[in-house]
Amino acid sequence: DAGVTQSPTHLIKTRGQQVTLRCSPKSGHDTVSWYQQALGQGPQFIFQYYEEEERQRGNFPDRFSGHQFPNYSSELNVNALLLGDSALYLCASSLRGSQLFGSGTRLTVV
Amino acid sequence: AQTVTQSQPEMSVQEAETVTLSCTYDTSESDYYLFWYKQPPSRQMILVIRQEAYKQQNATENRFSVNFQKAAKSFSLKISDSQLGDAAMYFCAYRSYRDNYGQNFVFGPGTRLSVLP
Repeated sequence: DAGVTQSPTHLIKTRGQQVTLRCSPKSGHDTVSWYQQALGQGPQFIFQYYEEEERQRGNFPDRFSGHQFPNYSSELNVNALLLGDSALYLCASSLRGSQLFGSGTRLTVV
Repeated sequence: AQTVTQSQPEMSVQEAETVTLSCTYDTSESDYYLFWYKQPPSRQMILVIRQEAYKQQNATENRFSVNFQKAAKSFSLKISDSQLGDAAMYFCAYRSYRDNYGQNFVFGPGTRLSVLP
C-alpha cells in the first residue's frame, strides 16, 4: 500500500495563474483534508472532503477550492495565485479519525 | 480560537541522551486532544504520540512520553535514548473534542531537533 500519494512533488507557477494539486488517499480511506504549510510554520487546515462534498473549512479565501471524486481522490485548486501562496501543501486521508499524511507538493509562486 | 506555542525553534541532543520539547496552548475548552507530530526531510507528517485531555495519565509510546499539565496548558514531549533517526521538525498540535470529523488541527510553529553523533 503506497499510503497517501500527492502529485506533483514540486511546482513553479507565476503570480495570477491557477494551479491544481492532486491527492490519492490511502486505500480504504474515505476522507481527505488539505493543509498549507508556509516556510518555518506549522500546517494550517484548508478544508476537508467527505462523500464528494466539502465538510469543513478553515480560514482560507474562496480562491482555494477543492473536489473529491467517487474513488475518494481529491484535488486542490488555487486561483489567482499570490506570492504568499508559496508553501508546502499537505494532503491527509483518514477513516474514522485515523489520519495519514502525504509528503506534500511544494508550490513556488514567482 | 485555540493557539499552540512552541518556544524552542531549535534544539539539539547527543545520541543516546534525553531531550524535552516544550509546547503550551491556549483554549477555553475542557475536552480536547493533543498531539506531537514529527516531520523528517521527507516532509511527511508522522504521528508520534497522542493525549486525550480527559485522561490524567501521561501517554507513552516506547521512547516517547509526554508531560501533560492541563491546568498549566502545557504539553511537553520527552524523547529518551535519542537516535539519529529522531532528527526532524516536531510539531505540537491541538484538536477540539467537538471536532467530530477529526481533521481540523491547530499546529504550533515547530521545533527543529538535531541529534549529534
